[in-house]
Amino acid sequence: DTEVTQTPKHLVMGMTNKKSLKCEQHMGHRAMYWYKQKAKKPPELMFVYSYEKLSINESVPSRFSPECPNSSLLNLHLHALQPEDSALYLCASSQTATSGRDYEQYFGPGTRLTVT
Amino acid sequence: AQSVAQPEDQVNVAEGNPLTVKCTYSVSGNPYLFWYVQYPNRGLQFLLKYITGDNLVKGSYGFEAEFNKSQTSFHLKKPSALVSDSALYFCAVRVAGKSTFGDGTTLTVKP
Repeated sequence: DTEVTQTPKHLVMGMTNKKSLKCEQHMGHRAMYWYKQKAKKPPELMFVYSYEKLSINESVPSRFSPECPNSSLLNLHLHALQPEDSALYLCASSQTATSGRDYEQYFGPGTRLTVT
Repeated sequence: AQSVAQPEDQVNVAEGNPLTVKCTYSVSGNPYLFWYVQYPNRGLQFLLKYITGDNLVKGSYGFEAEFNKSQTSFHLKKPSALVSDSALYFCAVRVAGKSTFGDGTTLTVKP
């Protein structure tokens, strides 16, 4: 199974709401990632989890809060978002994120987020 | 710091013709290079990678890429394009667990 699943597929939320995005993989990968992607643009890295520990935070605003409950699951908690946060949020996984052993990433289909 | 450039925003080819999508990179040390494809409203899908070894790398769906160290390039190629190859293509370089993506090239294959 080489699939990364993400729920929900679409999410509309107001600026005062709290919501969560979920990501799951069963490939035994030990690195998981959150990306933000605007239309026709490359993905922008937000967070990297390596062996369930946060290893990279690309100076993401605190209104985005990641969580890795176990090696298969990755959540992104959203609170008090702004309209400019509307985008496609992609989850990805890879065997590891270890330097010198750079494996390909497997991406989920994304959650299309609209902030009103 | 690493960087990737995809000099063409758009590539148009006729079905059955060969296609090339260009990528150049800048990285300290040995590069780990990847190509991904993205169809509308979907996530990125891995096509192929260069880590070490043969300069010609073969990947999914008949795609291949040629690594050229002297020109710091990693161009994506396919001998005969299909309409279904129409999509957004990203080149990426990966260092220390972080991927840096090019801006993407939209490939349109016309029947």
